[in-house]
Amino acid sequence: DGGITQSPKYLFRKEGQNVTLSCEQNLNHDAMYWYRQDPGQGLRLIYYSQIVNDFQKGDIAEGYSVSREKKESFPLTVTSAQKNPTAFYLCASSLVAGVTGELFFGEGSRLTVL
Amino acid sequence: GQQVMQIPQYQHVQEGEDFTTYCNSSTTLSNIQWYKQRPGGHPVFLIQLVKSGEVKKQKRLTFQFGEAKKNSSLHITATQTTDVGTYFCAGPGRGSTLGRLYFGRGTQLTVWP
Repeated sequence: DGGITQSPKYLFRKEGQNVTLSCEQNLNHDAMYWYRQDPGQGLRLIYYSQIVNDFQKGDIAEGYSVSREKKESFPLTVTSAQKNPTAFYLCASSLVAGVTGELFFGEGSRLTVL
Repeated sequence: GQQVMQIPQYQHVQEGEDFTTYCNSSTTLSNIQWYKQRPGGHPVFLIQLVKSGEVKKQKRLTFQFGEAKKNSSLHITATQTTDVGTYFCAGPGRGSTLGRLYFGRGTQLTVWP
């Protein structure tokens, strides 16, 4: 089955620790995205990548980092510099770079910082 | 920067009533997309509208794209409890932001029996 896999689904961490969320897709999509969702805030774009080894900041990139070493993988690191990391994180992909078609979302990772 | 506004933020209806959510963009859009997110779930693509004035229907859902390609609406006729969720509109970026989508904040629909 083709799709996007995010892991872990739930994650608890202590304040001050870096956390890496995994996102893998087997759809052969060019573009991948990370969104953060807080109650009542909609979907806010953190980073996106149109091609391997390239990525762009979204609207709330501070305190986050990403890499795109392989087409199918786009991990997100939530660093200790992120002031309010507790949130629901969604990874998405779309077929063609530079053409904003349908986004396919993973099931999300819920991060709680204690 | 480019913005997509969506109203209302919340809507509570009784089953059988109609529901409409409205979306407005600060810029002309090449297309507009709609997504639905069920409680506890992830957003799922519903539809994309491309042409000025376009109207598309999916069973009880009617989607419209404005003549100026800056606004859109989603109308649900005779809501059912299965319609519960948050509905998002989204428009593509332009120029240096080509390849990303700008999402509205969503309308959270609650349907009581």
